[in-house]
Amino acid sequence: EVHLVESGGGLVQPGGSLRLSCAVSGFSFSDSYMDWVRQAPGKGLEWVGRSRNKASSYTTNYAASVKDRFTISRDDSKNSLYLQMNSLKSEDTAVYFCARDLSGTSQGYWGQGTLVTVSS
Amino acid sequence: DVVMTQSPLSLSVSLGQPASISCRSSQSLVHSNGNTYLSWFQQRPGQSPRRLIYTVSNRDSGVPDRFSGSGSGTDFTLEISRVEAEDVGVYYCMQGTHWPPLTFGGGTKVEIK
Repeated sequence: EVHLVESGGGLVQPGGSLRLSCAVSGFSFSDSYMDWVRQAPGKGLEWVGRSRNKASSYTTNYAASVKDRFTISRDDSKNSLYLQMNSLKSEDTAVYFCARDLSGTSQGYWGQGTLVTVSS
Repeated sequence: DVVMTQSPLSLSVSLGQPASISCRSSQSLVHSNGNTYLSWFQQRPGQSPRRLIYTVSNRDSGVPDRFSGSGSGTDFTLEISRVEAEDVGVYYCMQGTHWPPLTFGGGTKVEIK
């Protein structure tokens, strides 16, 4: 059975930092591209960034809105994906989802999401 | 960035009737490798999204065959042949051809009449 479990969300002040984790089981994490997607309250889906697999040199890409503030990393030995979020702004308030390769041809999977609230 | 435009914004459908959602991209989604990376996602109320369709017309495992995707170039359609109560939610198209970034449409809300 496949599981993607995000954790690490919470309340943080503007300018603060937070690290999200996504623990994966049930599919070949090391072979997979992995995406972070967010959804602000009552809004649509926004792609945050992607981690490619080892075969693609673990390269990462980011949305312009988070570039230079957010960093995606992964630990294939722990089947885990991470999102380090720095210099947080109120507009970063959202539920953050990890997902397997949103656009690829492998079976798609999403986590349940973790809520990040940026507020003073 | 590629802009994805969905219509209608909302759809009210009687049980057992068909439904159709349109998605248009601001440029062709045909990749240089010949594939077209257009996906459809469903988000039921209070749930995480799930992918229904990838590369225009391929269903993910476990997706009922009443869902179908079609289209080419810049114009794409998600059809539900006979709407069931569990189909209520918001549907999003997304392109993965010209990335970064991956871009989503604004969503179409489907409800039961």
